Amino acid sequence: DQQVKQNSPSLSVQEGRISILNCDYTNSMFDYFLWYKKYPAEGPTFLISISSIKDKNEDGRFTVFLNKSAKHLSLHIVPSQPGDSAVYFCAASAGYGNQFYFGTGTSLTVIP
Amino acid sequence: NAGVTQTPKFRVLKTGQSMTLLCAQDMNHEYMYWYRQDPGMGLRLIHYSVGEGTTAKGEVPDGYNVSRLKKQNFLLGLESAAPSQTSVYFCASRQRTRGQYFGPGTRLTVT
Repeated sequence: DQQVKQNSPSLSVQEGRISILNCDYTNSMFDYFLWYKKYPAEGPTFLISISSIKDKNEDGRFTVFLNKSAKHLSLHIVPSQPGDSAVYFCAASAGYGNQFYFGTGTSLTVIP
Repeated sequence: NAGVTQTPKFRVLKTGQSMTLLCAQDMNHEYMYWYRQDPGMGLRLIHYSVGEGTTAKGEVPDGYNVSRLKKQNFLLGLESAAPSQTSVYFCASRQRTRGQYFGPGTRLTVT
Protein backbone atom coordinates (compact mmCIF):
# COMPACT_ATOMS: atom_id res chain seq x y z
CA ASP A 1 0.00 0.00 0.00
CA GLN A 2 1.61 3.22 -1.20
CA GLN A 3 1.89 5.63 1.73
CA VAL A 4 3.41 8.40 -0.37
CA LYS A 5 1.81 9.18 -3.71
CA GLN A 6 2.81 11.30 -6.65
CA ASN A 7 -0.19 11.18 -8.94
CA SER A 8 1.36 13.01 -11.89
CA PRO A 9 3.88 10.78 -13.69
CA SER A 10 5.05 13.66 -15.88
CA LEU A 11 5.00 17.43 -16.18
CA SER A 12 6.17 19.79 -18.94
CA VAL A 13 6.92 23.45 -18.28
CA GLN A 14 8.37 26.27 -20.35
CA GLU A 15 11.74 27.62 -19.31
CA GLY A 16 11.38 30.57 -16.94
CA ARG A 17 7.94 29.53 -15.71
CA ILE A 18 7.04 27.91 -12.41
CA SER A 19 7.10 24.12 -11.97
CA ILE A 20 4.82 22.70 -9.29
CA LEU A 21 5.24 19.09 -8.29
CA ASN A 22 2.75 17.53 -5.91
CA CYS A 23 2.88 14.77 -3.35
CA ASP A 24 0.25 13.27 -1.04
CA TYR A 25 0.71 11.01 1.94
CA THR A 26 -1.61 8.86 4.00
CA ASN A 27 0.30 8.17 7.22
CA SER A 28 -0.46 10.84 9.83
CA MET A 29 2.71 9.85 11.72
CA PHE A 30 4.91 11.27 8.95
CA ASP A 31 6.43 14.56 10.03
CA TYR A 32 9.63 14.87 8.00
CA PHE A 33 9.47 15.24 4.23
CA LEU A 34 12.12 15.41 1.56
CA TRP A 35 12.43 15.96 -2.17
CA TYR A 36 15.03 14.27 -4.33
CA LYS A 37 16.03 14.84 -7.93
CA LYS A 38 17.22 12.02 -10.16
CA TYR A 39 18.93 12.12 -13.52
CA PRO A 40 19.03 8.97 -15.71
CA ALA A 41 21.70 6.44 -14.74
CA GLU A 42 22.48 8.31 -11.50
CA GLY A 43 21.38 7.97 -7.92
CA PRO A 44 18.84 10.41 -6.46
CA THR A 45 20.22 13.67 -5.07
CA PHE A 46 18.76 15.30 -1.96
CA LEU A 47 17.16 18.64 -2.83
CA ILE A 48 15.21 20.09 0.07
CA SER A 49 13.38 18.97 3.20
CA ILE A 50 10.73 20.24 5.60
CA SER A 51 9.61 19.18 9.05
CA SER A 52 6.02 19.36 10.17
CA ILE A 53 6.66 22.28 12.49
CA LYS A 54 6.96 24.43 9.37
CA ASP A 55 4.66 24.97 6.43
CA LYS A 56 7.28 26.37 4.06
CA ASN A 57 10.97 25.99 3.42
CA GLU A 58 12.99 27.79 0.76
CA ASP A 59 16.37 27.12 -0.78
CA GLY A 60 17.17 29.34 -3.74
CA ARG A 61 14.81 28.55 -6.59
CA PHE A 62 13.22 25.66 -4.69
CA THR A 63 10.41 26.01 -2.16
CA VAL A 64 8.56 23.20 -0.45
CA PHE A 65 5.10 23.80 1.01
CA LEU A 66 3.46 21.49 3.53
CA ASN A 67 -0.27 21.33 4.22
CA LYS A 68 -0.60 18.96 7.16
CA SER A 69 -4.38 19.00 7.31
CA ALA A 70 -4.57 17.92 3.67
CA LYS A 71 -1.57 15.59 3.99
CA HIS A 72 -0.13 17.28 0.94
CA LEU A 73 3.20 18.80 0.02
CA SER A 74 4.40 20.52 -3.09
CA LEU A 75 7.71 21.57 -4.58
CA HIS A 76 7.86 24.85 -6.46
CA ILE A 77 10.74 25.60 -8.82
CA VAL A 78 10.98 29.23 -9.93
CA PRO A 79 12.21 30.00 -12.51
CA SER A 80 12.43 26.59 -14.16
CA GLN A 81 15.57 25.87 -16.14
CA PRO A 82 16.32 23.14 -18.72
CA GLY A 83 18.81 21.60 -16.27
CA ASP A 84 15.92 20.97 -13.90
CA SER A 85 14.62 18.28 -16.28
CA ALA A 86 14.77 15.13 -14.17
CA VAL A 87 12.60 12.77 -12.14
CA TYR A 88 11.57 14.19 -8.77
CA PHE A 89 10.75 11.94 -5.83
CA CYS A 90 9.13 12.96 -2.59
CA ALA A 91 9.82 10.95 0.53
CA ALA A 92 8.52 10.90 4.10
CA SER A 93 9.44 9.52 7.47
CA ALA A 94 8.16 9.57 11.02
CA GLY A 95 10.46 11.95 12.87
CA TYR A 96 14.06 11.82 11.75
CA GLY A 97 13.25 8.17 11.52
CA ASN A 98 14.98 5.15 10.21
CA GLN A 99 12.68 4.37 7.30
CA PHE A 100 11.86 6.63 4.40
CA TYR A 101 8.90 6.02 2.12
CA PHE A 102 9.18 7.25 -1.44
CA GLY A 103 6.62 8.27 -4.02
CA THR A 104 6.72 6.90 -7.55
CA GLY A 105 8.25 10.04 -9.00
CA THR A 106 7.28 12.81 -11.42
CA SER A 107 9.30 13.32 -14.59
CA LEU A 108 9.77 17.04 -15.18
CA THR A 109 10.67 18.35 -18.62
CA VAL A 110 11.60 22.01 -18.92
CA ILE A 111 11.25 23.16 -22.50
CA PRO A 112 13.76 25.79 -23.67
CA ASN B 1 35.38 12.39 -0.77
CA ALA B 2 34.03 9.65 -3.01
CA GLY B 3 30.67 9.79 -1.21
CA VAL B 4 28.71 6.58 -1.70
CA THR B 5 30.07 4.00 -4.12
CA GLN B 6 28.49 0.76 -5.32
CA THR B 7 30.08 -2.32 -6.80
CA PRO B 8 29.36 -3.65 -9.40
CA LYS B 9 27.57 -1.22 -11.69
CA PHE B 10 26.00 -3.93 -13.85
CA ARG B 11 25.47 -7.66 -13.43
CA VAL B 12 23.60 -10.42 -15.19
CA LEU B 13 22.77 -13.52 -13.17
CA LYS B 14 21.07 -16.78 -14.00
CA THR B 15 18.15 -17.90 -11.84
CA GLY B 16 19.44 -19.60 -8.71
CA GLN B 17 22.86 -17.95 -8.71
CA SER B 18 24.05 -15.90 -5.78
CA MET B 19 25.84 -12.58 -5.56
CA THR B 20 26.76 -9.79 -3.19
CA LEU B 21 26.42 -6.08 -3.86
CA LEU B 22 28.85 -3.86 -2.01
CA CYS B 23 28.13 -0.34 -0.80
CA ALA B 24 30.83 1.85 0.69
CA GLN B 25 30.65 5.36 2.14
CA ASP B 26 33.47 7.60 3.33
CA MET B 27 31.37 10.19 5.19
CA ASN B 28 31.31 8.38 8.54
CA HIS B 29 27.51 8.11 8.36
CA GLU B 30 25.68 5.99 10.91
CA TYR B 31 22.71 5.02 8.78
CA MET B 32 22.86 3.00 5.59
CA TYR B 33 20.11 1.72 3.30
CA TRP B 34 19.45 -0.58 0.36
CA TYR B 35 16.60 0.28 -2.02
CA ARG B 36 15.35 -1.18 -5.23
CA GLN B 37 13.76 0.86 -7.98
CA ASP B 38 11.29 -0.70 -10.39
CA PRO B 39 9.26 1.01 -13.12
CA GLY B 40 6.18 2.70 -11.67
CA MET B 41 7.11 1.68 -8.12
CA GLY B 42 9.45 4.39 -6.92
CA LEU B 43 12.16 3.38 -4.46
CA ARG B 44 11.34 0.63 -2.01
CA LEU B 45 13.41 -0.06 1.08
CA ILE B 46 14.89 -3.56 1.29
CA HIS B 47 17.01 -3.43 4.45
CA TYR B 48 18.70 -0.74 6.48
CA SER B 49 21.24 -0.32 9.25
CA VAL B 50 21.41 2.24 12.05
CA GLY B 51 24.99 1.45 12.96
CA GLU B 52 27.85 -0.99 12.69
CA GLY B 53 26.72 -4.52 13.50
CA THR B 54 22.99 -3.72 13.23
CA THR B 55 20.51 -4.44 10.44
CA ALA B 56 16.74 -4.28 10.08
CA LYS B 57 14.11 -5.19 7.50
CA GLY B 58 12.44 -2.64 5.28
CA GLU B 59 9.37 -2.90 3.06
CA VAL B 60 10.57 -5.67 0.71
CA PRO B 61 13.20 -7.78 2.51
CA ASP B 62 12.31 -11.26 1.22
CA GLY B 63 15.03 -12.95 -0.81
CA TYR B 64 17.77 -10.61 0.44
CA ASN B 65 20.22 -10.60 3.32
CA VAL B 66 22.51 -7.84 4.53
CA SER B 67 25.51 -7.34 6.75
CA ARG B 68 27.20 -4.29 8.28
CA LEU B 69 30.45 -5.57 9.74
CA LYS B 70 32.22 -2.25 9.24
CA LYS B 71 30.67 1.18 9.61
CA GLN B 72 31.64 2.22 6.10
CA ASN B 73 30.33 -0.88 4.29
CA PHE B 74 26.86 -2.32 3.79
CA LEU B 75 26.53 -5.56 1.83
CA LEU B 76 23.40 -6.84 0.12
CA GLY B 77 23.26 -10.53 -0.69
CA LEU B 78 21.04 -12.54 -2.98
CA GLU B 79 21.36 -16.21 -2.08
CA SER B 80 19.27 -17.62 -4.93
CA ALA B 81 18.43 -15.00 -7.52
CA ALA B 82 14.98 -14.92 -9.13
CA PRO B 83 13.76 -12.99 -12.21
CA SER B 84 11.58 -10.87 -9.85
CA GLN B 85 14.81 -9.46 -8.43
CA THR B 86 15.68 -7.84 -11.74
CA SER B 87 15.89 -4.19 -10.74
CA VAL B 88 18.12 -1.21 -10.14
CA TYR B 89 19.56 -1.27 -6.64
CA PHE B 90 20.55 1.89 -4.80
CA CYS B 91 22.52 2.22 -1.63
CA ALA B 92 22.26 5.32 0.53
CA SER B 93 23.73 6.68 3.73
CA ARG B 94 22.94 9.56 6.03
CA GLN B 95 23.52 11.14 9.37
CA ARG B 96 20.53 11.69 11.61
CA THR B 97 18.45 14.80 10.70
CA ARG B 98 19.87 14.88 7.19
CA GLY B 99 18.75 13.71 3.79
CA GLN B 100 20.25 10.59 2.29
CA TYR B 101 23.23 10.45 -0.02
CA PHE B 102 22.73 7.87 -2.76
CA GLY B 103 25.18 5.80 -4.74
CA PRO B 104 25.02 5.59 -8.54
CA GLY B 105 23.09 2.32 -8.58
CA THR B 106 23.62 -1.29 -9.66
CA ARG B 107 21.59 -2.60 -12.57
CA LEU B 108 20.88 -6.28 -12.01
CA THR B 109 19.25 -8.59 -14.53
CA VAL B 110 18.24 -12.13 -13.57
CA THR B 111 17.49 -14.42 -16.50
